[in-house]
Amino acid sequence: DAGVIQSPRHEVTEMGQEVTLRCKPISGHNSLFWYRQTMMRGLELLIYFNNNVPIDDSGMPEDRFSAKMPNASFSTLKIQPSEPRDSAVYFCASSDRTETDTQYFGPGTRLTVL
Amino acid sequence: DQQVKQNSPSLSVQEGRISILNCDYTNSMFDYFLWYKKYPAEGPTFLISISSIKDKNEDGRFTVFLNKSAKHLSLHIVPSQPGDSAVYFCAGIGTASKLTFGTGTRLQVTL
Repeated sequence: DAGVIQSPRHEVTEMGQEVTLRCKPISGHNSLFWYRQTMMRGLELLIYFNNNVPIDDSGMPEDRFSAKMPNASFSTLKIQPSEPRDSAVYFCASSDRTETDTQYFGPGTRLTVL
Repeated sequence: DQQVKQNSPSLSVQEGRISILNCDYTNSMFDYFLWYKKYPAEGPTFLISISSIKDKNEDGRFTVFLNKSAKHLSLHIVPSQPGDSAVYFCAGIGTASKLTFGTGTRLQVTL
C-alpha cells in the first residue's frame, strides 16, 4: 500500500528560478495538506485542499507561492521566483477525514535555493 | 503566536527507562491532540492521539495524558528503546482540520 509520494526528494536551484514540487496523496484520501519545515519555525501549514478545492491558504507566505490540485491524485506547489529564504523541507500529507483527521505524510522535498 | 509549545528541544533517556515528552497549548478549541514521530530524511509518522474529552489514551508502550485545566499534554514511552530515538511533535487539530504543530523534541535513547 503506497503512502504519500513526493517528488523530487531533493531540489537545488538558483535564486529567481521557478520550482515545482509534486505530491500524490494516498488513494481514497480526500484532504491534502502542504507543510514547510524550517529550523526557525518548525512545521507550518501552507495550504490545504478538501475534495480538490483549496480550503485555507492563509499559511502561504506570499504571492510567489501557489498550489493546485487538478484531480484527486495529484497536487503541485509552485514557487516563482524562488528566493534563498524559501530553502526548507516541504511535506505533503493526506487524510481521509476520519474522526481524528489523522494525516499521513510523504517523505518530503528538501529545497535549497542558492 | 505559538499555539502549541514544546519547551524541551531535546531529551536523553537510558534504554528501559521512561521517556516523558511534554507539550503545552493555548488554543482551547482543539478537538484532538496527536503525537507524531519523525526520523531523519522521512516525513512525520502518526503515533497516537487523544480526544479533548479524554484524559488518557494508551497504545502499547505509548500513553498520552491530557490535562485540560493546565492545557498540557504529555507522551510517556515505557520502556524506552533505541529505536524510539527520533524527533517527536505534538499537534492540535481543530474543527477546520488544521494541524498546528509544536517545534518538536529530539529524543535520544541511550544504551
